[in-house]
Amino acid sequence: SQQGEEDPQALSIQEGENATMNCSYKTSINNLQWYRQNSGRGLVHLILIRSNEREKHSGRLRVTLDTSKKSSSLLITASRAADTASYFCATAGGTSYGKLTFGQGTILTVHP
Amino acid sequence: ETGVTQTPRHLVMGMTNKKSLKCEQHLGHNAMYWYKQSAKKPLELMFVYSLEERVENNSVPSRFSPECPNSSHLFLHLHTLQPEDSALYLCASSPREGGELFFGEGSRLTVL
Repeated sequence: SQQGEEDPQALSIQEGENATMNCSYKTSINNLQWYRQNSGRGLVHLILIRSNEREKHSGRLRVTLDTSKKSSSLLITASRAADTASYFCATAGGTSYGKLTFGQGTILTVHP
Repeated sequence: ETGVTQTPRHLVMGMTNKKSLKCEQHLGHNAMYWYKQSAKKPLELMFVYSLEERVENNSVPSRFSPECPNSSHLFLHLHTLQPEDSALYLCASSPREGGELFFGEGSRLTVL
């Protein structure tokens, strides 16, 4: 099975609400990254959290990492309609050249 | 705008055609990647080039042939493709091992 599985597969919320997405992985990692993809476009890097970090913030984004549970969560606070997109977690393990393994993503829909 | 440019954005080809996808980055990154994104599947890493040398070939069929003439350009040559090869092909670059990826907007390929 794949490294980096997101949960839920789809999330629908109202503008202003918080959105939480979870990611689980199976093997040890060097870092975990979150990406966003608007429909039919390329992925955009959001945030990177290293294996020795537990929490990281960037604007309205908050990422947590629990290496004992092999899981991470992405929280988007005060969501906006423009946050509607697919969100992917990706793990970087011990292999070289930055090989990232992606999950299938969470589709987030924020209704105005 | 991520600094990674892919052309063409859309490509329709028959199974006997030969075509190429092009990727260009002017970010000064040393590593470049090809990913395949199919519906309902996680992103699949196809090839990795580091300093113009191919360092990973992820069991990709020989009908896909990558070329990296210099650190700024990456090509994916396509020949005798199958309809199941229809997908979004994403190019990415990264400045360092395990770091964040910078993606292009992708080339949407349809094989008839």
